[in-house]
Amino acid sequence: QMQLVQSGDEVEKPGASVKLSCKASGYSFLYYYVHWLRQAPGQGPEWMARINPRGGIANYAQRFQGRVIVTRDVSTRTVDMEVTGLRSDDTAVYYCARDGMDGDYDGWYFDLWGRGTLVTVSS
Amino acid sequence: QSALTQPPSASGSPGQSVTISCTGSSSDVGYYDYVSWYQQYPGKGPKLLIYQVVKRPSGVPDRFSGSKSGNTASLTVSGLQAEDEADYYCSSYAGSHNFVLFGGGTKLTVL
Repeated sequence: QMQLVQSGDEVEKPGASVKLSCKASGYSFLYYYVHWLRQAPGQGPEWMARINPRGGIANYAQRFQGRVIVTRDVSTRTVDMEVTGLRSDDTAVYYCARDGMDGDYDGWYFDLWGRGTLVTVSS
Repeated sequence: QSALTQPPSASGSPGQSVTISCTGSSSDVGYYDYVSWYQQYPGKGPKLLIYQVVKRPSGVPDRFSGSKSGNTASLTVSGLQAEDEADYYCSSYAGSHNFVLFGGGTKLTVL
């Protein structure tokens, strides 16, 4: 059964960092990009970054460059995302999602989602 | 303010058809055929309905269809059912700076 299992909810103070985890199973981990998106309360999703599990190269939305780092561990089939310098407007549900196209093709759509991790930033 | 514009709400009676629009620009929806649509129930994660403008993943009923004209993409839900009541989001690839943009969502109510 294909799935992405995400780490548990987090509560952080402004200025702190948080590291979120996403473990893939049930499919060929190396052949599909993994994306990170977030959704603030009452808003649409927002794309943050993606990583190619084969080479480990990550791409970031311009607004998150320098504040977000995405890495992967092939041996554990896990993709992590660290967000630094947390602010109150970073409060959101963070999702990892699989790209719908395999291999070296870009699908830019998300066919398998994790259940989400709620990150609350509050003093 | 979201990058792609969707109407905040839409409604229809069971059996009717409803179309939800998603307006972008010539740099995203109008340029790339990478428009996708997602359905989301309260407290749940999004589910893929349509990808690459018109394609439907296996398991998605053919009551859901997508199209695009110029800078506007559309999702049509035919033969409305009570279970279609949910939030719907569009997204589009937008090039190598922003990569992917989403709409603000449309709440579909089945009357």
